[in-house]
Amino acid sequence: QKEVEQNSGPLSVPEGAIASLNCTYSDRVSQSFFWYRQYSGKSPELIMSIYSNGDKEDGRFTAQLNKASQYVSLLIRDSQPSDSATYLCASLSKGGSQGNLIFGKGTKLSVKP
Amino acid sequence: SAVISQKPSRDICQRGTSLTIQCQVDSQVTMMFWYRQQPGQSLTLIATANQGSEATYESGFVIDKFPISRPNLTFSTLTVSNMSPEDSSIYLCSVDGDVDTDTQYFGPGTRLTVL
Repeated sequence: QKEVEQNSGPLSVPEGAIASLNCTYSDRVSQSFFWYRQYSGKSPELIMSIYSNGDKEDGRFTAQLNKASQYVSLLIRDSQPSDSATYLCASLSKGGSQGNLIFGKGTKLSVKP
Repeated sequence: SAVISQKPSRDICQRGTSLTIQCQVDSQVTMMFWYRQQPGQSLTLIATANQGSEATYESGFVIDKFPISRPNLTFSTLTVSNMSPEDSSIYLCSVDGDVDTDTQYFGPGTRLTVL
C-alpha cells in the first residue's frame, strides 16, 4: 500500500528560527511531491511542489527531494507565528491517466513569539 | 489558480438521511476530485470525477454510498447517502490546476456532522 509518513509533531520553534519538516514515501515510482499548509478549520493550501532531486526555493520556503532515499523535506526560514499550521506532505501516484494524491497525516507546527 | 466554492459550508444531519455537496469552479477544469478528511486525520481520496464519464472510486468507497455527478467542466456534486455518525468529516473537492505539473487546488470544504 502506498504511504506517506510524517512526524505528527507538534514541532515547536521560536520566532525567527528555521522549521524543518520531513516526509518519507513508499511508492518508488512517484514523481511529483507537494507541501500543503492547513490552518485549523480551513482547507489545504498549496505552498510548494517539487519534481526533481535537489532543492527548490520560494521565498522563505525550501523544498528538498531525495528520490534515492524516498525523502522530501520543507524548510521554513525566519519562521513567523502566522506559519503555525499543519503541514501536509503529498505524493502523486499515477494510475492510468489519473492522478491520486497520497497525503501524510501532517506535522503540526507551532511558532512561538 | 482557479477559484473554487462549495455548498453547503457546513451541515448537521440526522442518521439515515442524505446530503448533496456542490463544488463550483470559476473556470473549466478537466479533473475534479473529492476527498474526505475525518477528525484529526489526513485527506483520503474518495473518487475522481471526469466530465462525460462515470466517476472512478478509490478502494473502500462505492458509488451507492457516494454517488457523484459531473454534468459539465465547472461543476460537480458528491452525495453522502444513508449517513451514519462515521460519515462525520470534512468533504473537500479539488481541481487540477495544471496538467503539466499535476498540481491540485482545494475548495473551502464542507464540514458534515451526523447525529
